[in-house]
Amino acid sequence: GAGVSQSPSNKVTEKGKDVELRCDPISGHTALYWYRQSLGQGLEFLIYFQGNSAPDKSGLPSDRFSAERTGGSVSTLTIQRTQQEDSAVYLCASSFRTASSYEQYFGPGTRLTVT
Amino acid sequence: AQSVTQPDIHITVSEGASLELRCNYSYGATPYLFWYVQSPGQGLQLLLKYFSGDTLVQGIKGFEAEFKRSQSSFNLRKPSVHWSDAAEYFCADLSGAGSYQLTFGKGTKLSVIP
Repeated sequence: GAGVSQSPSNKVTEKGKDVELRCDPISGHTALYWYRQSLGQGLEFLIYFQGNSAPDKSGLPSDRFSAERTGGSVSTLTIQRTQQEDSAVYLCASSFRTASSYEQYFGPGTRLTVT
Repeated sequence: AQSVTQPDIHITVSEGASLELRCNYSYGATPYLFWYVQSPGQGLQLLLKYFSGDTLVQGIKGFEAEFKRSQSSFNLRKPSVHWSDAAEYFCADLSGAGSYQLTFGKGTKLSVIP
């Protein structure tokens, strides 16, 4: 079946511009996650959505970062006033959230470059 | 806070040789452990997982991992490496049931010599 998809695959933006990154989770998965992968910090958790519950935003690095999930499916990660340190690969993952299934399945990522 | 350590940043092996990638997790009553592989420009692919039960778990692509609580380790092994195994490998911990933040190690880059 179809996996997690993300768009765009690459994004180059100028410092100070806003960007939106999109994630389409696996159909039927109720949980959705965003992670960031950068050379200096490795893989870091950003935000978690589960069903209709309030998201856990504890990993967002600043208030310039926000995310939403519409209709329990597609998610958009928005970075406002981008900075060079935002350059990274942004990975989305989804999973079932049952007692017997904790695997997170990742998309191919969006490589963001801020110039 | 949970932490995952992968002591080897880069490993080079010859094709056909055996492989062991090391992973240590910080103490947790119920570790939920994973190995992921990332090829250049790709996302993370799940190789295998350990939640409970048999401490030797089998995964895809001929990989296996052994959970050793006494050593806080979850090392990944493959008896015979193929050139296509060249990639970066990440060990991750879910910090127990009810948690959802994966904590990743820094990764081990595997190079394979023909």
